Amino acid sequence: SQQGEEDPQALSIQEGENATMNCSYKTSINNLQWYRQNSGRGLVHLILIRSNEREKHSGRLRVTLDTSKKSSSLLITASRAADTASYFCATIGARGSTLGRLYFGRGTQLTVWP
Amino acid sequence: DGGITQSPKYLFRKEGQNVTLSCEQNLNHDAMYWYRQDPGQGLRLIYYSQIVNDFQKGDIAEGYSVSREKKESFPLTVTSAQKNPTAFYLCASSIFLQDNQPQHFGDGTRLSIL
Repeated sequence: SQQGEEDPQALSIQEGENATMNCSYKTSINNLQWYRQNSGRGLVHLILIRSNEREKHSGRLRVTLDTSKKSSSLLITASRAADTASYFCATIGARGSTLGRLYFGRGTQLTVWP
Repeated sequence: DGGITQSPKYLFRKEGQNVTLSCEQNLNHDAMYWYRQDPGQGLRLIYYSQIVNDFQKGDIAEGYSVSREKKESFPLTVTSAQKNPTAFYLCASSIFLQDNQPQHFGDGTRLSIL
């Protein structure tokens, strides 16, 4: 299976703390993406990291990628109650019938308490 | 504002009935996708289209059908052959079908059985 698997399944923290979510995958990839989903809404793209990148930042988000371990992590610093959502990693098919297709894990449900 | 519009937000289906979910985008994207999301699960690809008048089956296409007569529109029909249709359905689009393109999502249609 190409899909990523997030860990932990659920994470509960206080405002101001950092939140770290991990993603493992099984196949070789060119890119990996992270998405956020608020309850009952669609997904919002957060960040894309390429296989030749080790780390990428966007505001309070920091994503790392270790292709040798087939794993990625998403760090949200100084979390806020508004960060409460599900976070998904997605691997992307790079060739043939998988080209452009996203493969999602089950996500990490993050709850940030005020 | 550019985006993806899904309608209706809630839909109920009777036994033996076909229902059609609407997805419209004004982002001028070539590629469009339909996903199914079950509670506590990641997204699974139903169908995708990389260009007008072309579409491909995803991982769970049985019991579903699509059309792509216009670039802006990619309706999904849930047929009576789909025995377990209760789920959250998400439509997405990307500039084109490629492994480095983020996908933009609508806010979903929640389908339930009467």
